[in-house]
Amino acid sequence: SQQGEEDPQALSIQEGENATMNCSYKTSINNLQWYRQNSGRGLVHLILIRSNEREKHSGRLRVTLDTSKKSSSLLITASRAADTASYFCATPHEKLTFGTGTRLTIIP
Amino acid sequence: DTAVSQTPKYLVTQMGNDKSIKCEQNLGHDTMYWYKQDSKKFLKIMFSYNNKELIINETVPNRFSPKSPDKAHLNLHINSLELGDSAVYFCASRDLGHTGELFFGEGSRLTVL
Repeated sequence: SQQGEEDPQALSIQEGENATMNCSYKTSINNLQWYRQNSGRGLVHLILIRSNEREKHSGRLRVTLDTSKKSSSLLITASRAADTASYFCATPHEKLTFGTGTRLTIIP
Repeated sequence: DTAVSQTPKYLVTQMGNDKSIKCEQNLGHDTMYWYKQDSKKFLKIMFSYNNKELIINETVPNRFSPKSPDKAHLNLHINSLELGDSAVYFCASRDLGHTGELFFGEGSRLTVL
């Protein structure tokens, strides 16, 4: 069964604005991962947050995790045109199951 | 050096044909995967091998047969191709002993006519 589900499915914002994407999952986890996929490319790992962490930062990325609500959010601050991509969350059981992603478009 | 490489990048073929996609990783990882991404971007796991042994085999038609000659290679052979097999196929690897981060290849776009 599908584990991570991202919301919204698509998001368009102006360059310089912040973008927030959400992820919900179904079972208990020991960590949650976010990936980016540029058009026509493979997925690239962005950031991992462990179940005992509530927030994590990496450059312009901020990830939060609420295990009580089984949800996570990815915030990209000061967006750039190069951030245009699909973003996926994944819960790393043996299968590392992905959702359908959020398609983010940054308008220059 | 590319960490996970798969070939070919594009494959166009007729229904009923047999085709293979190859994957190699130079990361020293123990576990390799095949994922299928459909037109709606849903990424679905197909197979996983750990040290040449099959550990995950999702509900995939038996026309799909993975082969792992060694832990650095995982190939995917597809028999009697059907229109519904058209998709992008991604190979990935990871070392389960660490973060569980997956490293993906660039994908192989298969189009069945």
